[in-house]
Amino acid sequence: LAKTTQPISMDSYEGQEVNITCSHNNIATNDYITWYQQFPSQGPRFIIQGYKTKVTNEVASLFIPADRKSSTLSLPRVSLSDTAVYYCLVALYSSASKIIFGSGTRLSIRP
Amino acid sequence: GAGVSQSPSNKVTEKGKDVELRCDPISGHTALYWYRQSLGQGLEFLIYFQGNSAPDKSGLPSDRFSAERTGGSVSTLTIQRTQQEDSAVYLCASSLTGAGTEETQYFGPGTRLLVL
Repeated sequence: LAKTTQPISMDSYEGQEVNITCSHNNIATNDYITWYQQFPSQGPRFIIQGYKTKVTNEVASLFIPADRKSSTLSLPRVSLSDTAVYYCLVALYSSASKIIFGSGTRLSIRP
Repeated sequence: GAGVSQSPSNKVTEKGKDVELRCDPISGHTALYWYRQSLGQGLEFLIYFQGNSAPDKSGLPSDRFSAERTGGSVSTLTIQRTQQEDSAVYLCASSLTGAGTEETQYFGPGTRLLVL
């Protein structure tokens, strides 16, 4: 099963670029990498997803190296409202399905 | 519906009592997921439904936990003889087909369970 590892916490300041890396050494060929954002007292919300190379949307970018054993979520010019927990997800939908969320990275943005 | 809904939003119960948690997925979504999140912790996967069937129930923490889904829609997570360690937020999510790992999961607001 693909297990993910993320930093427990990160701090940054408004206007900075923040990069959060997730390790998933045992990722399977068919697995996609998905990142979710969670605010206090809310359920997680989808941010971005990718399979390889780079994906960009209006919120973030996701960088995935060729070996796919890690991925980096990049948040450009963060604001206070980006303070949240960010989860990396690699899911398996085999007959013995298990869905593994990372432990999450608690991102704190300061003025 | 517009999103995933869960009820109740909060539940306080006494140790040893049974509780039922309900999840209404997004209309038309085939796949439904239950997670547990203890205070300050990450998400623990419990069970996944494809239609009314749960391919793998091994994520349920004990035999006191059970879940069912009827009509390919509403799901109920039941915890029997609740224990204090069951206190957590129980999150439900749904996705369109559940057929591939690329599917986005849409989460509900969760049910906060407190066992006294």
